[in-house]
Amino acid sequence: GAGVSQSPRYKVAKRGQDVALRCDPISGHVSLFWYQQALGQGPEFLTYFQNEAQLDKSGLPSDRFFAERPEGSVSTLKIQRTQQEDSAVYLCASSLEVSGRPYEQYFGPGTRLTVT
Amino acid sequence: QKEVEQDPGPLSVPEGAIVSLNCTYSNSAFQYFMWYRQYSRKGPELLMYTYSSGNKEDGRFTAQVDKSSKYISLFIRDSQPSDSATYLCAMIPGYSGGSNYKLTFGKGTLLTVNP
Repeated sequence: GAGVSQSPRYKVAKRGQDVALRCDPISGHVSLFWYQQALGQGPEFLTYFQNEAQLDKSGLPSDRFFAERPEGSVSTLKIQRTQQEDSAVYLCASSLEVSGRPYEQYFGPGTRLTVT
Repeated sequence: QKEVEQDPGPLSVPEGAIVSLNCTYSNSAFQYFMWYRQYSRKGPELLMYTYSSGNKEDGRFTAQVDKSSKYISLFIRDSQPSDSATYLCAMIPGYSGGSNYKLTFGKGTLLTVNP
């Protein structure tokens, strides 16, 4: 079946521009996660949604980062006034539930953001 | 010091070799231990998970967790060129440890298996 999809796959932004990254989770998946993967590093947690509720946003690096999932399905990660240090791959993951099997997070291919 | 440490390599082995990958960690609340494989320009893909201590085998892959030493390993037997990828360890606290959904990853080890 269809996995997690993300768009765009690649985004080049000039410093100071706003960007919006989209995630389409696996149909029926309640939980949705965003991670940031800098070059040569492992992914780092940004935020977690259960349905439309954002239950944890502790990993968002600054108030320029904002995530939403208004109808409990598609999610958008928005970065305002992009800076060079925002250059990274942004990964979205979804899971059916977190209780019982918290390890079952399915990742999308990521959006590679380059800020020039 | 990061919560999860992983030697980034790179590691280069001949086809058929046994590969050993490992991670150490500092947070004793971690209860779930995962290994992900990530091909270039793709998202991580779950290979194996282990709950608490012990060994788990799946085909050519064996995962080991030693909670007393805070050390986990992944062994790949009869390695193949198609195993060439970055291998990431990841951990999650148990239910009582809080944030039992937040994957904490190592840096990843880049593995190349040469034909």
